[in-house]
Amino acid sequence: GENVEQHPSTLSVQEGDSAVIKCTYSDSASNYFPWYKQELGKRPQLIIDIRSNVGEKKDQRIAVTLNKTAKHFSLHITETQPEDSAVYFCAAPSGTYKYIFGTGTRLKVLA
Amino acid sequence: GAGVSQSPSNKVTEKGKDVELRCDPISGHTALYWYRQSLGQGLEFLIYFQGNSAPDKSGLPSDRFSAERTGGSVSTLTIQRTQQEDSAVYLCASSLVLAYNEQFFGPGTRLTVL
Repeated sequence: GENVEQHPSTLSVQEGDSAVIKCTYSDSASNYFPWYKQELGKRPQLIIDIRSNVGEKKDQRIAVTLNKTAKHFSLHITETQPEDSAVYFCAAPSGTYKYIFGTGTRLKVLA
Repeated sequence: GAGVSQSPSNKVTEKGKDVELRCDPISGHTALYWYRQSLGQGLEFLIYFQGNSAPDKSGLPSDRFSAERTGGSVSTLTIQRTQQEDSAVYLCASSLVLAYNEQFFGPGTRLTVL
């Protein structure tokens, strides 16, 4: 089955700097990779996802890149703001409907 | 429209007691998932239901855990003979029938086993 590893577990950046979170997966058949953001005390919410037919997807200050050969995908946040502070989870499918989540990255944006 | 709802929001129980956690998915969502999130940890997959298919129970940590989904809508997660290590936030999520769709999470039930 799928195995997902996420790094780093914690990340502190100065406001305005960029943040990068990386995930690796094991199942070469996986072809959909979502990222969820969980603010303190709140439920996880999808912020961006990518399918394997593209190598990069961007939505304003957030982008995700995918390297299928190396089996890793990364979340990039540019011009970070305090409201970006949260825990971010990557996920990869195991089969058609089941998802395996990474262990999460706690991002702290320092003002 | 209404999102995913869960009840209760908090549950404190004594070791050895049984508990039931409820999830109401978004109307029309045929896929329903249960996850466990321990303090400061990731999302641990427990079980998912897809339409009328047999559920994938591969993530249930022991036979004390069970779940059912009645009428393809509401789901109940039952933990029998609770242990202190069962203390966690239990999250439910639902999504449309198509694969690779966004999962919409509920607010979770915080379970504390004393």
